[in-house]
Amino acid sequence: ETGVTQSPTHLIKTRGQQVTLRCSSQSGHNTVSWYQQALGQGPQFIFQYYREEENGRGNFPPRFSGLQFPNYSSELNVNALELDDSALYLCASSPNRAGNTIYFGEGSWLTVV
Amino acid sequence: ELKVEQNPLFLSMQEGKNYTIYCNYSTTSDRLYWYRQDPGKSLESLFVLLSNGAVKQEGRLMASLDTKARLSTLHITAAVHDLSATYFCAVDIRSGGSNYKLTFGKGTLLTVNP
Repeated sequence: ETGVTQSPTHLIKTRGQQVTLRCSSQSGHNTVSWYQQALGQGPQFIFQYYREEENGRGNFPPRFSGLQFPNYSSELNVNALELDDSALYLCASSPNRAGNTIYFGEGSWLTVV
Repeated sequence: ELKVEQNPLFLSMQEGKNYTIYCNYSTTSDRLYWYRQDPGKSLESLFVLLSNGAVKQEGRLMASLDTKARLSTLHITAAVHDLSATYFCAVDIRSGGSNYKLTFGKGTLLTVNP
C-alpha cells in the first residue's frame, strides 16, 4: 500500500475528447509526477509539480496539462485526445525533492477509440 | 538526451538458475532506481542506489551501481517462479538542487520456468 490513489482505474474516450485523471497523495507529499506508460514500454515522464507549481516537463505537447492542489491531490488533463494517448497513466508522489522515496499509484488505464 | 538501455529485454530462466540484468545509461547520474511491475499493475520499488559502488540486496535480488561506467546490474540468485515480472531501471536526471526526474528503460520481461 503506497498511499497514492488514482481515479478512475479504467476509462474509454473517443478521439478528440478531453479527459481528467486524478491522484491523491499522502499528506505532506509536496512533489508529484505524472508518467505515461504505453503497452510494452517503460514509463515516460510527463511533468512534475512541486508545491503547486510545475517543476519540469517531459517531451509532451501542451494539450497535456496538470494541477496540484493544497490538499496533496493533483490532476492530469489531456485535451484533443489522440489514439496514441491510449496508455497507463501513473502518478508518483514523494515527501520531498530528493526522490529517495517515491510512491507510485495503481494507475489509470486510458483507451482512446 | 538521456538514454537508458536495459539488456536483455526478454529473459526466460529456469528455476534455481542465476542471471543478471544490465542497465546502461548515457549521462552522468548519481542515483538509480529498480522497479518491478506485474502484469496490469503499477510499479513496486525494489532498490534505490544513491552513490557509486552502492550495493543493495533483498532476498534473491541484488542491485549494484557503477556511476563511472554508467552501469547498474540486477542480479537474480536461484530464481523462483514468483520473480516472474517486468523489471525496470530508472535514472535520475536532475540538475543542481532541483527535484528528481526519472528516465526509465524499456524494461526486462523475466519469465521463470519450472
